[in-house]
Amino acid sequence: GESVGLHLPTLSVQEGDNSIINCAYSNSASDYFIWYKQESGKGPQFIIDIRSNMDKRQGQRVTVLLNKTVKHLSLQIAATQPGDSAVYFCAENKRDTGRRALTFGSGTRLQVQP
Amino acid sequence: DTEVTQTPKHLVMGMTNKKSLKCEQHMGHRAMYWYKQKAKKPPELMFVYSYEKLSINESVPSRFSPECPNSSLLNLHLHALQPEDSALYLCASSQVAGGYNEQFFGPGTRLTVL
Repeated sequence: GESVGLHLPTLSVQEGDNSIINCAYSNSASDYFIWYKQESGKGPQFIIDIRSNMDKRQGQRVTVLLNKTVKHLSLQIAATQPGDSAVYFCAENKRDTGRRALTFGSGTRLQVQP
Repeated sequence: DTEVTQTPKHLVMGMTNKKSLKCEQHMGHRAMYWYKQKAKKPPELMFVYSYEKLSINESVPSRFSPECPNSSLLNLHLHALQPEDSALYLCASSQVAGGYNEQFFGPGTRLTVL
């Protein structure tokens, strides 16, 4: 399943499928991006990050892709599990603030159907 | 210890009350942050502290007053709040402000202003 971030805030997938969550950013001065997962009643939890000198970074079951040309970021989750159900936020850390300010995207809710 | 703790978990206050939110980390981080998160919205940055000094204030109303008594503690003093200030208040920390540093978030304090 695939979302388009701001235009489709909820993504529903079957357990075991791969999920793709998309995010568009607007500031070309941003050079560091982070994906966070937020479960109900909890604070955001770091998933994976990527610097702008990279196009792709892989973690355990997750991959982040960065397309600087179109200012687009995606999070791919392999073999999605029920425990992956949460809201996912991309966040950009803007170089023009000394990377001190983290700005979050609007978020995508991932629902995993058993 | 890789945890950011926040107290209280829940707070209900009247518009004439004075209360404080507390945040603590023992990871040796020198940057600490306050965010505000409304329901179904992303976290929004309020304040950044770097080496116990206020580094960024995102034009937050003066009824919110941050304080960083030492490198492990961050407080948010609340006075004369409005019902629209009801939200989840998140604290975060990172090794330093700026650079390529992930932010670790606490579970938040859910504030209700009557």
